Amino acid sequence: DAGVIQSPRHEVTEMGQEVTLRCKPISGHNSLFWYRQTMMRGLELLIYFNNNVPIDDSGMPEDRFSAKMPNASFSTLKIQPSEPRDSAVYFCASSSLTAYQETQYFGPGTRLLVL
Amino acid sequence: LAKTTQPISMDSYEGQEVNITCSHNNIATNDYITWYQQFPSQGPRFIIQGYKTKVTNEVASLFIPADRKSSTLSLPRVSLSDTAVYYCLVGDSPGSSASKIIFGSGTRLSIRP
Repeated sequence: DAGVIQSPRHEVTEMGQEVTLRCKPISGHNSLFWYRQTMMRGLELLIYFNNNVPIDDSGMPEDRFSAKMPNASFSTLKIQPSEPRDSAVYFCASSSLTAYQETQYFGPGTRLLVL
Repeated sequence: LAKTTQPISMDSYEGQEVNITCSHNNIATNDYITWYQQFPSQGPRFIIQGYKTKVTNEVASLFIPADRKSSTLSLPRVSLSDTAVYYCLVGDSPGSSASKIIFGSGTRLSIRP
């Protein structure tokens, strides 16, 4: 299995621009998570989906952030408009609820820099 | 929510056994304890998970006392490649809307030659 795939790996954009991050979970996994990591705040859970349905989005910082999972093999995290404080590494992870206890598998992350 | 407390950093030498303790005083009955490892520029990677007593795999051991208010990750004979940040998580299945995953600040482990 290729593992969790994220794209792009690096993104540099200007303040005000729309940013779309993409994730392909491991095939067969039915839970998907989006995290953000910064030096100041550490690793924060933004939102997670179960069977393509958003279950908990309480970690989404504000309305500028939105996430979708149109099918079991694809999810997006969108920031519109982007701000410099959104600069961080964004991780996607997936897991399988069929396991007795879940283990999350993380992607390589997208390093976002908003100028 | 079960909050976890870990040492911010630890140092050790190659070949030594390293024990990292995590406190989780408010752990709930359904909560499991999971440890992840993160190298620079990579996403966290699952190490080990347990509910009570002792769990061992090819990478580490996890010791959980009877009251489950703490847990200890044990890395036998560490090498330079074990230098990483280690996170302790406590929670039940994320499929429950009542649960939330909190990674905390982790423990930065540095291994010296």
